[in-house]
Amino acid sequence: ILNVEQSPQSLHVQEGDSTNFTCSFPSSNFYALHWYRWETAKSPEALFVMTLNGDEKKKGRISATLNTKEGYSYLYIKGSQPEDSATYLCAATNTDKLIFGTGTRLQVFP
Amino acid sequence: GAVVSQHPSRVICKSGTSVKIECRSLDFQATTMFWYRQFPKQSLMLMATSNEGSKATYEQGVEKDKFLINHASLTLSTLTVTSAHPEDSSFYICSVEGHSNSNYGYTFGSGTRLTVV
Repeated sequence: ILNVEQSPQSLHVQEGDSTNFTCSFPSSNFYALHWYRWETAKSPEALFVMTLNGDEKKKGRISATLNTKEGYSYLYIKGSQPEDSATYLCAATNTDKLIFGTGTRLQVFP
Repeated sequence: GAVVSQHPSRVICKSGTSVKIECRSLDFQATTMFWYRQFPKQSLMLMATSNEGSKATYEQGVEKDKFLINHASLTLSTLTVTSAHPEDSSFYICSVEGHSNSNYGYTFGSGTRLTVV
């Protein structure tokens, strides 16, 4: 059974600051790692799906890295903006089931 | 990508009644849909996998007679919480797998907040 953990639980940053948070997962039987951005009252939005060790993906000011050997992924946000405020979820899968972490709640203050 | 509509977004019901939640895939034929629930301060937990034209697959600890899933068409899956009790109060959300393959991630509905009083 996968156990996915995210840290920190919440984060408050000033507009313009860069930030990052962590997702850790068991490295055995790993298949894929997903990142989602979830704004209040909206649907979670898929950001990245990564499968390969050393993978690095970028979408605008947001990027993510993956280390499958040690079982972690980092999500980076460069130059945070108030509209980046959301909960960022990661989920790992070893088959076709997503196992989610509890999320990192990001608040960006203007 | 796929567009998923979930309804209702919020429902309050009396203890002992049943509540139906709909999940529609608007532009994508989904043979498989997933149902999750989230209790406060916890992660999204998979409840069941809904398969079009066949029985749903339930996760360990989820009562199939209490959480009835019907996936009668490629665009609609429903979750019925039968004889709801206050402990069933939770956030329920559905998802479908993205187009072509899992590299697109999963597309989620906007969720249903169920409160049983």
